[in-house]
Amino acid sequence: NAGVMQNPRHLVRRRGQEARLRCSPMKGHSHVYWYRQLPEEGLKFMVYLQKENIIDESGMPKERFSAEFPKEGPSILRIQQVVRGDSAAYFCASSPPEARNPNAEAFFGQGTRLTVV
Amino acid sequence: SQKIEQNSEALNIQEGKTATLTCNYTNYSPAYLQWYRQDPGRGPVFLLLIRENEKEKRKERLKVTFDTTLKQSLFHITASQPADSATYLCALGDDYKLSFGAGTTVTVRA
Repeated sequence: NAGVMQNPRHLVRRRGQEARLRCSPMKGHSHVYWYRQLPEEGLKFMVYLQKENIIDESGMPKERFSAEFPKEGPSILRIQQVVRGDSAAYFCASSPPEARNPNAEAFFGQGTRLTVV
Repeated sequence: SQKIEQNSEALNIQEGKTATLTCNYTNYSPAYLQWYRQDPGRGPVFLLLIRENEKEKRKERLKVTFDTTLKQSLFHITASQPADSATYLCALGDDYKLSFGAGTTVTVRA
């Protein structure tokens, strides 16, 4: 059973370009979360999605950032018109429905390291 | 606003000793607290969860305590090994959303 798969692992974008980060959750997991980690800081919650629904996007910047989790295919975190401050590691996590997850455990992917030059 | 603080200094210990990490929080009443391990360039890996009504949890060489009055959790690695060298993250949870500390880096010397 493959873990949470994120790609690409590393992404370099010039200022003003778009970045697309992909996340395939673990098999059987219907909940996806995106977190951002800046150097020397803790992971910060960005958004929580279920299939075709955004449940909580309270951690997403109001502009340029969007996320989706379509019925088919991976979850996508999209950053338009990237700026240097967007450089960070972006982690996706997935979990099964609450009833099957007494530890509220989140399974994290290896992350995408975005560098904006 | 919520604040989560972990040991600011990295921890260097001798193999076989016990590593003790601290997680303090303010302006938060979490339903549970988790500890994760993160290796360089990798994603966090879940280790343990302790709920607000629990005082202590153990798993193999790991022990976690949770004091909701002090707003503090202690994480112990007993009989430490070089393979335990990593960054350890505490995360406070309320339903599905996790709030993470910045982590404490532990290095175990052989």
